[in-house]
Amino acid sequence: QVQLVESGGGVVQPGRSLRLSCAASGFTLSRHGMHWVRQAPGKGLEWVTYMSSDGITQNYIDSVKGRFTISRDSSRNTLFLQMNSLRAEDTAVYFCARFSGSDRSGSWDSWGQGTLVTVSA
Amino acid sequence: QSVLTQPPSVSAAPGQKVTISCSRGSSNFGQNSVSWYQQLPGTTPKLLIYDDDKRPSGIPDRFSASSSGTSATLGIAGLQTADEADYYCGTWDSSLSAAVFGGGTKLTVL
Repeated sequence: QVQLVESGGGVVQPGRSLRLSCAASGFTLSRHGMHWVRQAPGKGLEWVTYMSSDGITQNYIDSVKGRFTISRDSSRNTLFLQMNSLRAEDTAVYFCARFSGSDRSGSWDSWGQGTLVTVSA
Repeated sequence: QSVLTQPPSVSAAPGQKVTISCSRGSSNFGQNSVSWYQQLPGTTPKLLIYDDDKRPSGIPDRFSASSSGTSATLGIAGLQTADEADYYCGTWDSSLSAAVFGGGTKLTVL
């Protein structure tokens, strides 16, 4: 059974750092593109970052470039999101999501339960 | 502002059919297929439709979708109160290695 479990969220002051984890089970992380998607309170889904299945390609939404880093530990089948220089506008529930299928027709077929990050003084 | 534009809300009576549109903007972003997600209140998004019009196993055939190049449409027939949720379209652009979701549509079953 495919499962994604995020952890690491919490309340943090502006300018500080936080690292989110996404533990995968039921499948091998390195065989899928993996994404982080966030949802600010009362708002819609916002794609944040992506890592390709081979781990070579990463990309980020402009608002987090230079501050967030996606990585993974294949031995632990776990995805990470290192978030530095956090801002109030980063406050959101962060979901990790598995991408399945081809580049042209794929979709996010499994999502974690999300972890809440609150950036506040 | 998302390059995938959805109506903020739609509503219909139980048993009726509703459609939700997802329009690509003038950008070339996302010439790949569209997928649709249902997010019930307080829960995680769930894949409803992939590759423009395909349903994953376990998704009832009350849910359907189509795409015509610059827009995609999700249809929900035989509406139930349990269908009240936020619905999102999304697409992946492999050339940009980036993704985008529509702003979401809140479905109310009156």
